[in-house]
Amino acid sequence: EAQVTQNPRYLITVTGKKLTVTCSQNMNHEYMSWYRQDPGLGLRQIYYSMNVEVTDKGDVPEGYKVSRKEKRNFPLILESPSPNQTSLYFCASNRGGPHTDTQYFGPGTRLTVL
Amino acid sequence: KNEVEQSPQNLTAQEGEFITINCSYSVGISALHWLQQHPGGGIVSLFMLSSGKKKHGRLIATINIQEKHSSLHITASHPRDSAVYICAARRETSGSRLTFGEGTQLTVNP
Repeated sequence: EAQVTQNPRYLITVTGKKLTVTCSQNMNHEYMSWYRQDPGLGLRQIYYSMNVEVTDKGDVPEGYKVSRKEKRNFPLILESPSPNQTSLYFCASNRGGPHTDTQYFGPGTRLTVL
Repeated sequence: KNEVEQSPQNLTAQEGEFITINCSYSVGISALHWLQQHPGGGIVSLFMLSSGKKKHGRLIATINIQEKHSSLHITASHPRDSAVYICAARRETSGSRLTFGEGTQLTVNP
């Protein structure tokens, strides 16, 4: 089954404790993205990647890192989480050709930083 | 002013009604997406448009590039259509970056 998976689905952590949210897709998609969703602000793009070893910042990259060492994986790293990073996070992928393609979303990761 | 604005923010309808959700954008775009977010949080891509009109079942999406406006229509609405509908603009100058509207919460009552 074609899908985007994220882990963990729920996470409660404390300020400053490094964490990684994994994202994996099995559709051989070139493009992958990370978004966060907050009440009143909607979805906002954090980072995206056009291919292996090619990443770029979205609208809200501060406090986040990403890497794309393999085509299928695009982990989101919070080196020193803070309470303002409490949010619902989505990973997404699409085949390529940004003008013509639809996005496939993961199930979401609900992160709480205390 | 947000680059992508949706209206209405909330919409309540009776089963069977025709529903329209609007999306206006202020930047040049290469494509516009309509997404559906279920009550459980999952997001599904409904349409991607760069011109004209697309139809899938009871859902129809249209876009007017000159007016910078898109609409999502639902015919013969059903309670299972209750969800948040989100439009997202892929800006001409920013490759894979998407800018999202805040979403429209649709509730369809039986």
